[in-house]
Amino acid sequence: DIQMTQSPSTLSASVGDRVTITCRASQAINTWLAWYQQKPGKAPKLLIYQASSLESGVPSRFSGSGSGTEFTLTISSLEPDDFATYYCQQYNLYWTFGQGTKVELK
Amino acid sequence: QITLKEAGPTLVKPTQTLTLTCTFSGFSLSSTGAGVGWIRQPPGKALEWLALIYWNNNHHYSPSLKSRLTITKDTSKNQVVLRLTNMDPVDSATYYCARAALFGAGSVFDSWGQGTLVTVSP
Repeated sequence: DIQMTQSPSTLSASVGDRVTITCRASQAINTWLAWYQQKPGKAPKLLIYQASSLESGVPSRFSGSGSGTEFTLTISSLEPDDFATYYCQQYNLYWTFGQGTKVELK
Repeated sequence: QITLKEAGPTLVKPTQTLTLTCTFSGFSLSSTGAGVGWIRQPPGKALEWLALIYWNNNHHYSPSLKSRLTITKDTSKNQVVLRLTNMDPVDSATYYCARAALFGAGSVFDSWGQGTLVTVSP
């Protein structure tokens, strides 16, 4: 099984901050990595696929990078709508999610 | 517009079999590359992928739950059914179905249902 580890688990930030979330895979997954945003009581929403490709309709303040085993999701300037939990997911071998990173208001 | 909706019991007893149906619209499971997956999320916890079925009837199961899972599709009804046997209280979760779309050589979940909460209790 491929394990996905996100850090930090919780991130306190203010509107306008630049935010970076890290995701590490237990083995190399090329760029087969996606990022999702989930708000309380709602289904996840796809933000980024293939590590750095922005899903249609997702604001350009979201960006992703990385390959192999280390990946990052960056929000260039945090907006009020961005307070949520973010999950990485590998799809190199089956599908595995990270444990999530909650972005909360500082 | 793509929509998916999960349906099934909200409460099941331990040892029973859970049967969930995902009814979707806006895409066809007969189109090359199309797939539908199931993902669950226990209250306050992370997402866990369970199963996925493709247009060509290829399917995959989570290795940790493979012996308990069955996924099938009815293309004519635009439905995918998930069965999970021998339910236990730890299986209590919100169960989501999602469209699996091919992006390059891999599939990601680009549209999700609203989820259905299943509680396992005597």
